[in-house]
Amino acid sequence: DIVMTQSPSSLAVSAGETVTINCKSSQSLFWSRSQMNYLAWYQQKPGQSPKLLIYSASTRQSGVPDRFIGGGSGTDFTLTISGVQAEDLAVYYCQHHYDSLPPYTFGAGTKLELK
Amino acid sequence: QVQLKETGPGLVQPTQTLSITCTVSGFSLTSYYMQWVRLTPGKGLEWMGFIRSGGTTEYNSEFKSRLTINRDTAKNQVFLEMNSLKTEDTGVYYCARGGMGLWLPYWGQGTLVTVSS
Repeated sequence: DIVMTQSPSSLAVSAGETVTINCKSSQSLFWSRSQMNYLAWYQQKPGQSPKLLIYSASTRQSGVPDRFIGGGSGTDFTLTISGVQAEDLAVYYCQHHYDSLPPYTFGAGTKLELK
Repeated sequence: QVQLKETGPGLVQPTQTLSITCTVSGFSLTSYYMQWVRLTPGKGLEWMGFIRSGGTTEYNSEFKSRLTINRDTAKNQVFLEMNSLKTEDTGVYYCARGGMGLWLPYWGQGTLVTVSS
């Protein structure tokens, strides 16, 4: 199974800061035929379902603010939040969605907290 | 619009079987994969398995032979059944639908399952 390793596990931030969350996969998530990386990012607030932010490593889901930026390729990925707002305080998860390599494992999560 | 809603038993005794129903609206089960994901205190988010638009299934081997996913397309319902429950299976169980790929833009609100005697 592909192992997804997220860092840091928690992050204390002030409003307006730019933060970066890292996600590393144990196998490459890049498929040369499609030229795509099969990695998604989700945001989960307490008592709510996960919300899709980014898929294919860098494609923002419709309606997601452009301060959320996904990057990386192969085995190393990042989620950057430019100008954190109070409403962004949540747990963030990465997940691979490489079709031919189930299970589609999640990272352990990064909790974004207020400093 | 796309809607998903899970209904479950709330409390299940250890060694018993869990059954959860996901009722959907706004789309056809024969057009999309339906996935199950759970959130547990011990392991965070875990992908459990899916049923394809054509009705075949794929499971996370973590759940070995305990897990079964099936559906009733006429009733717009997807079912999760897992046997031999343990206290570690306590958590929130979600059904979710993909878009063009296996990423998950649509989620139910989740149903809390507590495994306890």
